[in-house]
Amino acid sequence: SQKIEQNSEALNIQEGKTATLTCNYTNYSPAYLQWYRQDPGRGPVFLLLIRENEKEKRKERLKVTFDTTLKQSLFHITASQPADSATYLCAHSTGNTPLVFGKGTRLSVIA
Amino acid sequence: NAGVTQTPKFQVLKTGQSMTLQCAQDMNHEYMSWYRQDPGMGLRLIHYSVGAGITDQGEVPNGYNVSRSTTEDFPLRLLSAAPSQTSVYFCATRESGGANVLTFGAGSRLTVL
Repeated sequence: SQKIEQNSEALNIQEGKTATLTCNYTNYSPAYLQWYRQDPGRGPVFLLLIRENEKEKRKERLKVTFDTTLKQSLFHITASQPADSATYLCAHSTGNTPLVFGKGTRLSVIA
Repeated sequence: NAGVTQTPKFQVLKTGQSMTLQCAQDMNHEYMSWYRQDPGMGLRLIHYSVGAGITDQGEVPNGYNVSRSTTEDFPLRLLSAAPSQTSVYFCATRESGGANVLTFGAGSRLTVL
């Protein structure tokens, strides 16, 4: 079965630096990876999706990369701000199968 | 549009009691699902439905029951609550086709004593 691993449970970073979060998956198949943000006491909110034939996707200060050789996605937040502090979830799916989520990485941006 | 509405937000039950968590959506999404989120375990899929009258099991279905009689509603039933079912429950929907992007409700926090 699919497994998604987010290597870091927590990440602390200085304001203004680039935060990089890692997501690894165990099985290769035509797929896409998604990233969600979750604030305390709230439901996850979709941020970005990258397909297996895409190397990189950007949205404002967010960038996602997808390396099918390494079976890995990296999620970058440039010029990080305290408001970026949240838990970030990686999720994987093959076509229409239900999303499988990683455990999340809790990001703290320190002013 | 309200999106995905979950009720109640908080609930305390005693072991053996039954209850239903409600999920309603006004986006006309065919796909609806229930996840539970526990510390250190991430989001785990309980049950899902690809349309009215169709349901299927996810990763952790035991102890839970679902039905889908309308497009809008997807209730999750706990028939005999156990302390192991203490968790935060999220309902999530998605559009048919597309890229499987989920829209989540705000969650229901359940404590079983």
